[in-house]
Amino acid sequence: SYELTQPPSVSVSPGQTATITCSGDKLGNKLVCWYQQKSGQSPVLVIYEDSKRPSGIPERFSGSNSGNTATLTISGTQAMDEADYYCQAWDSNVVFGGGTKLTVL
Amino acid sequence: EVQLVESGGDLVQPGRSLRLSCAASGFTFADYAMHWVRQAPGKGLEWVSGISWNSDNVDSADSVKGRFTISRDNAKNSLYLQMNSLRIEDTALYYCAKDLGRQKLVFDYWGQGVLVTVSS
Repeated sequence: SYELTQPPSVSVSPGQTATITCSGDKLGNKLVCWYQQKSGQSPVLVIYEDSKRPSGIPERFSGSNSGNTATLTISGTQAMDEADYYCQAWDSNVVFGGGTKLTVL
Repeated sequence: EVQLVESGGDLVQPGRSLRLSCAASGFTFADYAMHWVRQAPGKGLEWVSGISWNSDNVDSADSVKGRFTISRDNAKNSLYLQMNSLRIEDTALYYCAKDLGRQKLVFDYWGQGVLVTVSS
């Protein structure tokens, strides 16, 4: 079955750029989306179709996807961005990455 | 405002059955595919099952295939998950999630989740 691999954790200083990767075989040929899940809350869609932002999502969130890696970039990271982030794609079924805990310190 | 409200979670013994419901409002329910996604305690997200806008296409994860059945009632704006032969590893928070379109497999709204605990 298809697998998406994310780093378990990423740390960033406030105001800096956070980069979270998601790796999978020929992932660039698939559409990837990203979800943010803050502690105790339901997930929120932050990027879909590789790089599109839903309404209400700040411009500091951006996405890209090429080769075997999709990337979520958060520019000017704020304390409120501290959360778990999950990538998701579709192969024969919906697949989620294992999640990355973003710490803003 | 889109709202998804799950119900039906409970503590059940292994091998028993449970039916989850999701009441939708704030959008034209019949126009969108819907899904169930679960999250075991302290773990990541796992897609469980999805159903197209008109119920013609349904699919489930291998981990629940043959045990769980997704359905919907567009007249009642409701989504369901019939869970049979429950296992301890089915213990999780179950989310109802709206598809971005008729079958885009992107989840743009999520409910608050309902807890299913399988234990003897």
